[in-house]
Amino acid sequence: DGGITQSPKYLFRKEGQNVTLSCEQNLNHDAMYWYRQDPGQGLRLIYYSQIVNDFQKGDIAEGYSVSREKKESFPLTVTSAQKNPTAFYLCASSIGGTEPRNEKLFFGSGTQLSVL
Amino acid sequence: AQSVTQLGSHVSVSEGALVLLRCNYSSSVPPYLFWYVQYPNQGLQLLLKYTSAATLVKGINGFEAEFKKSETSFHLTKPSAHMSDAAEYFCAVKGGGGSNYKLTFGKGTLLTVNP
Repeated sequence: DGGITQSPKYLFRKEGQNVTLSCEQNLNHDAMYWYRQDPGQGLRLIYYSQIVNDFQKGDIAEGYSVSREKKESFPLTVTSAQKNPTAFYLCASSIGGTEPRNEKLFFGSGTQLSVL
Repeated sequence: AQSVTQLGSHVSVSEGALVLLRCNYSSSVPPYLFWYVQYPNQGLQLLLKYTSAATLVKGINGFEAEFKKSETSFHLTKPSAHMSDAAEYFCAVKGGGGSNYKLTFGKGTLLTVNP
């Protein structure tokens, strides 16, 4: 089945620790995204990548880092600099290309990150 | 800059009643608008999208939305609610910040369906 796989489903972080959230897609999509979801605040864009080996900051990139070494993978690292990391993290992908404005996003099932 | 505002963080309806979820947009250019649905502890699924081809857009599960430029609105409706429609719904606009790739979401509306 084609889709987006996020792991783990639940993750706990100790103070001062970096943690990495995995996102893998087998849809052959060029574009990938990370969103953070907090109750009552909707989704906010952390980082996005339009193509392999390239990525851009979203609206709330501070305290996060990403890499895009392979087309199918877009891991997100939550660093110790992110002081309020507890949230639901969603990875998404889309076909991409030069006119992506009307295309839809495909979402993973999310990772719930909590601080110990 | 593109943005959307969803009016009402929580809407409660009876089974069989009309569902109306409100979304207003702010855009300096013709917008590309979307409605997504999220079931508990899951990712989002696309319900429908507006791309300027037609003002009345039909989506999955019996939902539809009408683009009204004069009112800068893109409200989501369904004639008769089912229990399975209980979920959180997000309106979104594509673009903004100089990027065609950014999708900006509203804060969401939680729909409760009462038997």
